[in-house]
Amino acid sequence: SQQGEEDPQALSIQEGENATMNCSYKTSINNLQWYRQNSGRGLVHLILIRSNEREKHSGRLRVTLDTSKKSSSLLITASRAADTASYFCATDARDGNKLVFGAGTILRVKS
Amino acid sequence: DSGVTQTPKHLITATGQRVTLRCSPRSGDLSVYWYQQSLDQGLQFLIQYYNGEERAKGNILERFSAQQFPDLHSELNLSSLELGDSALYFCASSPVGGNTEAFFGQGTRLTVV
Repeated sequence: SQQGEEDPQALSIQEGENATMNCSYKTSINNLQWYRQNSGRGLVHLILIRSNEREKHSGRLRVTLDTSKKSSSLLITASRAADTASYFCATDARDGNKLVFGAGTILRVKS
Repeated sequence: DSGVTQTPKHLITATGQRVTLRCSPRSGDLSVYWYQQSLDQGLQFLIQYYNGEERAKGNILERFSAQQFPDLHSELNLSSLELGDSALYFCASSPVGGNTEAFFGQGTRLTVV
């Protein structure tokens, strides 16, 4: 079974709007990562947040982590049509091995 | 370009056959992961190797096996193929383990007919 579960499964927004995706996980982690996948292509790393961090920014991306709730959120501000992709959260096991991905959120940004 | 190379890009084969997928990690990365992505199962972790040794195992079928060679490239062997094995197979590499960024190849699309 997946370690992380994203919601919503799919999200459709207008260009310029913000997109928020959530991820919940089950076990203790060292860090949580977010990846992006354009249709049928390899995943691209977006951002990594460590278990002792609560918030991290990278450009138009903002990630939060709540280890007490075992959840994370990815916010994409001022979305663009080029942001259309699937977004996955990934968590590692406490031993640092095995990066496990959630089912992903499909984001569609309409221009 | 992630620096991770997977070959072949596409593979069409018949049920019951055996195929080998190859992955060359980024220069200097010791850890290699294999993932299977299908529409119904999502992105499933199969197996991880670190510096030639198996480090973690996921939902890998007994018909599947993998290895990492001394030059750090890895191969995923899929045998007795079934229609349900049709999927995208990704390789990823990272400098160490799962607590660092992973770099993905473009995948091998396997179609079993």
